[in-house]
Amino acid sequence: SAVISQKPSRDICQRGTSLTIQCQVDSQVTMMFWYRQQPGQSLTLIATANQGSEATYESGFVIDKFPISRPNLTFSTLTVSNMSPEDSSIYLCSVGVRGSDGYTFGSGTRLTVV
Amino acid sequence: AQSVTQLDSQVPVFEEAPVELRCNYSSSVSVYLFWYVQYPNQGLQLLLKYLSGSTLVKGINGFEAEFNKSQTSFHLRKPSVHISDTAEYFCAVTYAGNNRKLIWGLGTSLAVNP
Repeated sequence: SAVISQKPSRDICQRGTSLTIQCQVDSQVTMMFWYRQQPGQSLTLIATANQGSEATYESGFVIDKFPISRPNLTFSTLTVSNMSPEDSSIYLCSVGVRGSDGYTFGSGTRLTVV
Repeated sequence: AQSVTQLDSQVPVFEEAPVELRCNYSSSVSVYLFWYVQYPNQGLQLLLKYLSGSTLVKGINGFEAEFNKSQTSFHLRKPSVHISDTAEYFCAVTYAGNNRKLIWGLGTSLAVNP
């Protein structure tokens, strides 16, 4: 299965600033997803990162707040913009390969907004 | 809308006891089912998956799950747990036509006590 490097692993940020999270995969993958996991909660899908086109956002998430880039089949970034304390969460990158089985997750980025 | 229900939010057990973590899903169409484990302060790791074939699926760390189509269930079992199995366990499902997006349960916190 694919190996994902997600950076940074954690950060503490001031409100009103932005943080960009990187997801690097060791092989080409079809599907890349970004999730948010709030403290003590399950995972919530933010968006599907599409290579060469705009990301597909889930209900409640918008591009202005969570811009996503995916310039190729092995890399994606998620930016959390104009942060507030409510954005404090773990953000996870996940990948899947069409026709294969299972999804692989990055180790996550633990974000604290103060 | 499709949904996944993990019937127990917390499951306390003693070491070397058997455990079952329950998961039900709402879809009646072709489904693909997963169990993931999240150890404290870590990302998600795939325990096992059901895509097709045998309804009894064996995974890592001695876990197994049985797909029951008539009961729309995919319960996770282990005959003898260890302290190191203490973690959060998530059931997830995707199905044909869902663009491979995972639908997640809320998680079950397994606490193994000595």
